[in-house]
Amino acid sequence: NAGVTQTPKFQVLKTGQSMTLQCAQDMNHEYMSWYRQDPGMGLRLIHYSVGAGITDQGEVPNGYNVSRSTTEDFPLRLLSAAPSQTSVYFCASSYRDTSYGYTFGSGTRLTVV
Amino acid sequence: AQTVTQSQPEMSVQEAETVTLSCTYDTSESDYYLFWYKQPPSRQMILVIRQEAYKQQNATENRFSVNFQKAAKSFSLKISDSQLGDAAMYFCAYSPFGNEKLTFGTGTRLTIIP
Repeated sequence: NAGVTQTPKFQVLKTGQSMTLQCAQDMNHEYMSWYRQDPGMGLRLIHYSVGAGITDQGEVPNGYNVSRSTTEDFPLRLLSAAPSQTSVYFCASSYRDTSYGYTFGSGTRLTVV
Repeated sequence: AQTVTQSQPEMSVQEAETVTLSCTYDTSESDYYLFWYKQPPSRQMILVIRQEAYKQQNATENRFSVNFQKAAKSFSLKISDSQLGDAAMYFCAYSPFGNEKLTFGTGTRLTIIP
């Protein structure tokens, strides 16, 4: 099993550009989430999904869009990149029973110039 | 809103010694889960240990153990016989029972001194 796969691993964008961070899992997990990690702030929840067709906002959703058309995929879209979105982004997934914690992807380091 | 606090931004320990990382949390829930995640320089988030709030017994995974004090809302991680490979950022995280959200602390960077 590949687990949680994120692409790309690194990306540089210009202010105003748009892009999609890809996330796929092959564990048949119902729950999927996107986090951003910034120095001194831990990981903060951007958006999450409890199943195909169902998404909701997390703590820091502004400037990001998500959709979940299949159980496996949960892409994160940056509509118009801003320097404040420079961060490391993690996708994570879990069974409905979250007692075993989330499985994380390897992260995407995004720089907006 | 639930919050998780890690008051030690950095810690260091001699190789083979024991170190304890602190974590406190704030919640009004009675059933929840607590986790410690390790993030080495590779950036990968690795689950180290987990605790279910309804279990009084502290969780243990090899050299890693927790001290869970529910009344004090404290969840510390003890690493015994520290090894160079333990050097990493450690994050404490909280999730209410039946809730899909994880709330993280700000992390503790652990350095192992050879």
